[in-house]
Amino acid sequence: DAGVTQSPTHLIKTRGQQVTLRCSPISGHKSVSWYQQVLGQGPQFIFQYYEKEERGRGNFPDRFSARQFPNYSSELNVNALLLGDSALYLCASSFAGKLFFGSGTQLSVL
Amino acid sequence: EDKVVQSPLSLVVHEGDTVTLNCSYEVTNFRSLLWYKQEKKAPTFLFMLTSSGIEKKSGRLSSILDKKELFSILNITATQTGDSAVYLCAGNRDDKIIFGKGTRLHILP
Repeated sequence: DAGVTQSPTHLIKTRGQQVTLRCSPISGHKSVSWYQQVLGQGPQFIFQYYEKEERGRGNFPDRFSARQFPNYSSELNVNALLLGDSALYLCASSFAGKLFFGSGTQLSVL
Repeated sequence: EDKVVQSPLSLVVHEGDTVTLNCSYEVTNFRSLLWYKQEKKAPTFLFMLTSSGIEKKSGRLSSILDKKELFSILNITATQTGDSAVYLCAGNRDDKIIFGKGTRLHILP
């Protein structure tokens, strides 16, 4: 069975640009959440979606947005990139309260 | 504000030693406590704890939750070099999951 898949694995952008990250959950999982992990820190919650509805949002600016599609895949969009947005972005699908993570997208903003 | 605090932040031990990692939490509408192991990128699931006092065990790893003291521990016995990783603790409140900073564990051969 395929796990959580994320694309791309690496991305380099410049300040002010926009980026879209993609995530496909484990088959049968209807909930997807996004996390930002800066080096040396734990993952920080950004969004949670369940059945295409936003269920939770972390303390991130409006430059961050997300959506979930009918097939339960999800996209995370970040506008007007800042240097501080450089991080590992993790997607997780969940079932029965357990999170299963993808390998992440490493975003570097120059 | 919800928070999860892990200690120690870093730990170096010799192969064969036993380690105890600590996690305290303050999470409103708390549902469960989760432990993950992160070696490179994707954290891998270890345990989910919902009830106080019931130890969960998987091989050399075990964990227990104290909902009165808002505390959990993760024990690793007979450590091996493959146990070297960052161990993350997280509190689940249904609409979001709050992670601690993690404990970086290094096992010396």
